[in-house]
Amino acid sequence: AQTVTQSQPEMSVQEAETVTLSCTYDTSESDYYLFWYKQPPSRQMILVIRQEAYKQQNATENRFSVNFQKAAKSFSLKISDSQLGDAAMYFCANKAAGNKLTFGGGTRVLVKP
Amino acid sequence: DAGVTQSPTHLIKTRGQQVTLRCSPKSGHDTVSWYQQALGQGPQFIFQYYEEEERQRGNFPDRFSGHQFPNYSSELNVNALLLGDSALYLCASSLPTGGAGETQYFGPGTRLLVL
Repeated sequence: AQTVTQSQPEMSVQEAETVTLSCTYDTSESDYYLFWYKQPPSRQMILVIRQEAYKQQNATENRFSVNFQKAAKSFSLKISDSQLGDAAMYFCANKAAGNKLTFGGGTRVLVKP
Repeated sequence: DAGVTQSPTHLIKTRGQQVTLRCSPKSGHDTVSWYQQALGQGPQFIFQYYEEEERQRGNFPDRFSGHQFPNYSSELNVNALLLGDSALYLCASSLPTGGAGETQYFGPGTRLLVL
C-alpha cells in the first residue's frame, strides 16, 4: 500500500518570498512518479509539477521546484517569488503503475500582500 | 481544446436516494478515474475505467458503481446515499498507457450534499 503524508496543514508566506511545503511518502514500487497538484478555492485541481522517481535531477517549472530525496522518501515543493495567485491547497501525490493516484492530506498556502 | 468536464456542478439529495454524476474526458484521453474528496481532505480513489471496463478499484463499497461509454465519457452512480457520502466528486482523465507516468487531468468536480 502507498501512503503520502503532508505534515503542514497550513503555511503562510509574504508576497515575493519563498515557501517550502513538505511531503513524505511510502511505497514498495520501484517505478513511480510524484506529483504536486494545486487546488485554488472552489476551482479546478491543476498539475504544478511532476518528478520521475528514476531521475536524480530535481524537476523545475518556472517558480516551482522540488527537492526529491529518494532514500528518505521525501518530496518537498518550493515556491519562489510567491504571488497572490499561489494561494491554494497543495496536494502531494504518488502514482505507481496502474494509474491510481494516492494523495496526501494537503497544505493550505496563504499569501500575504 | 476542451478539458475535463463534469455535471452537475452541485447536487442535493436525501439519505437513501440514488445519484448519478457525469464526466467527459479531455480530448484524446480514454481513461477515466473517479475520486471522492471530503471537506478538508485529500482525494480518495474510487475506481478507474478503461475500454468500458473497471480496471482498478479503491476501498469503496458496492454502492459506488460506474460505467464508461463508447465515447469514453463516464458515470458514477451511488446508491442508498448516506450522510457521509457528502463530498466533492472529482473526475480525472488520462492517456491509456497504464504506466506510472501518465498525468491525470482533473475536472472541476461535482459537490454532493446529502441531507
